Amino acid sequence: GAGVSQSPSNKVTEKGKDVELRCDPISGHTALYWYRQSLGQGLEFLIYFQGNSAPDKSGLPSDRFSAERTGGSVSTLTIQRTQQEDSAVYLCASSFTGTDTEAFFGQGTRLTVV
Amino acid sequence: QQQVKQSPQSLIVQKGGISIINCAYENTAFDYFPWYQQFPGKGPALLIAIRPDVSEKKEGRFTISFNKSAKQFSLHIMDSQPGDSATYFCAARLGGNQFYFGTGTSLTVIP
Repeated sequence: GAGVSQSPSNKVTEKGKDVELRCDPISGHTALYWYRQSLGQGLEFLIYFQGNSAPDKSGLPSDRFSAERTGGSVSTLTIQRTQQEDSAVYLCASSFTGTDTEAFFGQGTRLTVV
Repeated sequence: QQQVKQSPQSLIVQKGGISIINCAYENTAFDYFPWYQQFPGKGPALLIAIRPDVSEKKEGRFTISFNKSAKQFSLHIMDSQPGDSATYFCAARLGGNQFYFGTGTSLTVIP
């Protein structure tokens, strides 16, 4: 695709259920990021993948959150036993490695936990 | 620890005025400093960027001022327009790899 694609665009789930959010990065981009953005708030870093290196998971808020990136391409962010405070927009971004390269963001997945 | 500190959190400017958003960093290994603009319901998109060997970059009404010694950089929006109302994020890239984003500034331009 031409840009970063995220699915679903909207997700409503019941408290306690597990959810999976998908990110298709731009083809060839080696770096992939997940961020969380609560209503009217800034970007909260969650996790960063770079090629085959071990991901930087330092931003994951709890062990209910996990992410994987298969084949260096598609990534899935999984939230187990969702809580109401998990409600937010989850943004994925990807980039090439190297100087003067930008990160391209997807449109985000709006997660609502009821 | 917030690698890039951004201020103010929100900003209200009259149409035609100058909007100024500031960011500061500590890590001298950062080598690329982009600004992103985000409209409601959209993902952030690159607005303008600068490398640390340049003190200023201007694109239309948008200017980045970069002070390497102070480890600060700022976005100036001249002749601010209501259409500029958005959230702005500064960022810094570490050695060609990971991006670190500021917490964002919500800009409202009043007609």
